[in-house]
Amino acid sequence: EVQLVQSETEMKKPGESLRISCQASGYTFKNYWIGWVRQRPGKGLEWMGVIYPGDSDTRYSTSLQGQVTMSVDTSINTAYLQWHSLRASDSGMYYCARRFDSTYNWFDPWGQGTLVTVSS
Amino acid sequence: EVVLTQSPGTLSLFPGERATLSCRASQSLDGTYLAWYQQKPGQAPRLLISGASRRATGIPDRFSCSGSGTDFSLSISRVEPEDFAVYYCQLRNFGQGTRLEIK
Repeated sequence: EVQLVQSETEMKKPGESLRISCQASGYTFKNYWIGWVRQRPGKGLEWMGVIYPGDSDTRYSTSLQGQVTMSVDTSINTAYLQWHSLRASDSGMYYCARRFDSTYNWFDPWGQGTLVTVSS
Repeated sequence: EVVLTQSPGTLSLFPGERATLSCRASQSLDGTYLAWYQQKPGQAPRLLISGASRRATGIPDRFSCSGSGTDFSLSISRVEPEDFAVYYCQLRNFGQGTRLEIK
């Protein structure tokens, strides 16, 4: 069974750094893009970007370029989403998901989500 | 960049009624690149249909989609109680979603 398991809820202060994780199982991790999707409280889904574990090729949303960093560790089949300096506006639920392939952008399956709260 | 606009924002129906959710693109696109998702409260989104008409594993056949060019739709032939949720279309970015609620 293909599965993505994300790290637990995080509570941080503005200016702090954070890295959340997404561990994949049930398939060859290097062969499929992993995407990240943000959902702010009460809002819709926002495509953040994708990373290809095979070579760490990364595509970011234009609006998020420079604000987050996506990375992978293929030795443990894990993708990461990192912030160097959090802002209150980074609060929300963050989902990782497996992208179908390099042509089609749909995501399946999804991780359970990591809730990030940034507050002073 | 193609923008997807979903309508209505909220759709109120009785169980058993037919639901039609719209997803309009800002420019013509190949429908095989479009996907639809369902999200229930407190849950991650779930892929419903991809490649214009392929239902994901476990998705009942009361869900279907159609459309071409700039106008696409997701239909639920007879809405079941478990179908009340928020639905999103996606090309790369997502539409803003349609909430299907019980009338």
